[in-house]
Amino acid sequence: TQLLEQSPQFLSIQEGENLTVYCNSSSVFSSLQWYRQEPGEGPVLLVTVVTGGEVKKLKRLTFQFGDARKDSSLHITAAQPGDTGLYLCAGASKTSYDKVIFGPGTSLSVIP
Amino acid sequence: KAGVTQTPRYLIKTRGQQVTLSCSPISGHRSVSWYQQTPGQGLQFLFEYFSETQRNKGNFPGRFSGRQFSNSRSEMNVSTLELGDSALYLCASSLMGIDEQFFGPGTRLTVL
Repeated sequence: TQLLEQSPQFLSIQEGENLTVYCNSSSVFSSLQWYRQEPGEGPVLLVTVVTGGEVKKLKRLTFQFGDARKDSSLHITAAQPGDTGLYLCAGASKTSYDKVIFGPGTSLSVIP
Repeated sequence: KAGVTQTPRYLIKTRGQQVTLSCSPISGHRSVSWYQQTPGQGLQFLFEYFSETQRNKGNFPGRFSGRQFSNSRSEMNVSTLELGDSALYLCASSLMGIDEQFFGPGTRLTVL
């Protein structure tokens, strides 16, 4: 069974602080996506990483895919209250099951 | 391009009833996946349809079923509702299924 773990589960920080959340698995993924979800809404795709070692930047957000394509991290610089939400990672694996697996998420709260 | 739409947005039912939820994917997307999201269990995969065929299925009882029409629109049905079925039901569409998924706003189902 393929599993994706995310840490920390909960994170509460002050506006302006930096933070990193992690997504780990024992399985290799062909691609990995990060989503942010606000309460009562569907997850919104932030980025897709496909190459081992790849780093993508989206304004204050930096995403990295591990060299072995088993893990990923999301770093936020100078967090703002608008960054508050549930951050989900999802891995796509070209196995016989061919489906996307979601991690349990990291709930981030940025306090003004 | 219009996003994924789900109807209805909110639904209240009583135990024993059945319910049908609808999802219209992004134009051109052939894969539609359904997820159940609860605070305790996170995002759980229900099933995926691709070109009118169920391609993947999660670990949910047979009370949960779905179908996809030739225009890629999908419906999900839950029969004999239980209190534990109260959740946010999310639909996601993608081009091929194991790539980037785009979520709808969800249907909030409350079972009394």
